[in-house]
Amino acid sequence: DAGVIQSPRHEVTEMGQEVTLRCKLISGHNSLFWYRQTMMRGLELLIYFNNNVPIDDSGMPEDRFSAKMPNASFSTLKIQPSEPRDSAVYFCASSLTGVLTQYFGPGTRLTVL
Amino acid sequence: AQKITQTQPGMFVQEKEAVTLDCTYDTSDPSYGLFWYKQPSSGEMIFLIYQGSYDQQNATEGRYSLNFQKARKSANLVISASQLGDSAMYFCAMREIDAGSNYKLTFGKGTLLTVNP
Repeated sequence: DAGVIQSPRHEVTEMGQEVTLRCKLISGHNSLFWYRQTMMRGLELLIYFNNNVPIDDSGMPEDRFSAKMPNASFSTLKIQPSEPRDSAVYFCASSLTGVLTQYFGPGTRLTVL
Repeated sequence: AQKITQTQPGMFVQEKEAVTLDCTYDTSDPSYGLFWYKQPSSGEMIFLIYQGSYDQQNATEGRYSLNFQKARKSANLVISASQLGDSAMYFCAMREIDAGSNYKLTFGKGTLLTVNP
């Protein structure tokens, strides 16, 4: 079975540009988590969804960040406008409600110049 | 306050020896879960092992075992017979349940394990 799929794997952009990160959940999973990893702050939960509904977005840094689940198997994380301090590795993870383990995608390495 | 503490930024072990990676946690919930993930240099996060707070026995998965000491609030990962491929960053994480019965993971800062030949 395919794991969590993220695209792009690497993204280099300039400050002020819009960035969209994409994630496809494991088939049958209904919970989705977006994380950000940096050297300074470690792995931080940004937002998570259960059955397409955003449950907790308290980790989203500011209004420049937004996340959606247009359908049960797909999510986007958008940064507009991007800033150099947004440079990080962004992971999404999925799980099945009632099954506790989260399975991570390969991550997107974002560099904002 | 930090909920997951990994006090060892880095650890070294000789190939074929066992190593213990420390993790302590803080929670007032009676029901919780503890996870270990491995992150090799390639960057992916790999689930290793899970321990529930009500589990009577320590979790084991192949060469990985979890030394769960509930009274001490510790959940140390033991890797037996270390291999060169075990060199990676290891993260301890705790499951928390919010008021809506939804759960999320909180991660520690990680321990970088290096296995020497």
